[in-house]
Amino acid sequence: NAGVTQTPKFQVLKTGQSMTLQCAQDMNHEYMSWYRQDPGMGLRLIHYSVGAGITDQGEVPNGYNVSRSTTEDFPLRLLSAAPSQTSVYFCASSQGLGYTFGSGTRLTVV
Amino acid sequence: SQQGEEDPQALSIQEGENATMNCSYKTSINNLQWYRQNSGRGLVHLILIRSNEREKHSGRLRVTLDTSKKSSSLLITASRAADTASYFCATRSGNTGKLIFGQGTTLQVKP
Repeated sequence: NAGVTQTPKFQVLKTGQSMTLQCAQDMNHEYMSWYRQDPGMGLRLIHYSVGAGITDQGEVPNGYNVSRSTTEDFPLRLLSAAPSQTSVYFCASSQGLGYTFGSGTRLTVV
Repeated sequence: SQQGEEDPQALSIQEGENATMNCSYKTSINNLQWYRQNSGRGLVHLILIRSNEREKHSGRLRVTLDTSKKSSSLLITASRAADTASYFCATRSGNTGKLIFGQGTTLQVKP
């Protein structure tokens, strides 16, 4: 039972490039979310999903897209990377109570 | 803007002492959760308290919730060096699964 798996663990992008952060969970959880964590800012919700085919915006959705075609996967797409998107990204899933977090993706945009 | 405000931002205590962290939030909630994050790692769920509960215990953890004041506290008793971490409160409102975090309290427990 792997829990929540995020790939890659580290990534460096040039400004303007696009990429997809992968997130997969094997617990059949209904809810999934993406957060970014910046120093001194705690975690801020980017997008979340309440089930396959259903997504909604969080606190800081601009510059990011998501889709949820299956229960297991919830990829986060950066459309045109900017230095302000340098951060640590966490994916999490839940069946309604506490969330299980992945180990994070550290993204640097230069 | 974030839902939760945590106080203090940083706390340093000696091993064996108790640590208390506070969280205030802005809107009505279904439940409030506390998480721990060790440096460079993902978050780990510690405890959840529902809006109709006032106090909950789990091992050395005690959580209280005052919905009239929109506040919660996390007490860690008999702290250990291994408790050194950042602690976050998070609130869930409605049935969306949307979980909003506070900015966290950094706890250092000195051996």
